[in-house]
Amino acid sequence: DTGVSQNPRHKITKRGQNVTFRCDPISEHNRLYWYRQTLGQGPEFLTYFQNEAQLEKSRLLSDRFSAERPKGSFSTLEIQRTEQGDSAMYLCAGETSGSYEQYFGPGTRLTVT
Amino acid sequence: AQSVTQLGSHVSVSEGALVLLRCNYSSSVPPYLFWYVQYPNQGLQLLLKYTSAATLVKGINGFEAEFKKSETSFHLTKPSAHMSDAAEYFCAVTVNTGNQFYFGTGTSLTVIP
Repeated sequence: DTGVSQNPRHKITKRGQNVTFRCDPISEHNRLYWYRQTLGQGPEFLTYFQNEAQLEKSRLLSDRFSAERPKGSFSTLEIQRTEQGDSAMYLCAGETSGSYEQYFGPGTRLTVT
Repeated sequence: AQSVTQLGSHVSVSEGALVLLRCNYSSSVPPYLFWYVQYPNQGLQLLLKYTSAATLVKGINGFEAEFKKSETSFHLTKPSAHMSDAAEYFCAVTVNTGNQFYFGTGTSLTVIP
């Protein structure tokens, strides 16, 4: 158990709907990352927070994706107007600055029908 | 930018045999390298990391990896495979000035009794 939790674990939605995922790292994780993983691929970087500041976003992240970490603790990832191509596992990872050790949550599996 | 290539998407070994999972990296600056393991229906777990200290790195569960700059490699080994080692293994790279981690496509390890 890494101490990082994600909710929900599974989400099925219809194309065009909005979805929001939540990640709760442990308090020591001042850094928080979001990744997307599709079948047969490794995690793909989406975005990164240092405390509450979103410092980096992947160029692959479309305008339909937005992430927040309002108090530097939990984080949310929202996808607006979902498309079938958004179907994937969305992973969250926490890290303590300087450790280079990312602790992953179990992921949220999104299926867009 | 950095990247890693994992040679062999599937590797099968007999129980008790040597495990060798290959990872080659590309980076214009000194890399930090990692191996993660993902068991079915679980999140990624850090096995070991190289952050410019000793080139031979020991991790959990008897795994180790050696950083070879001349070969741009960071292969993962274990002297004797155990049934519980069956999982997906991911190599990843970052740099000390970067915030993005780049993962390989993964190697699925099967251990044959």
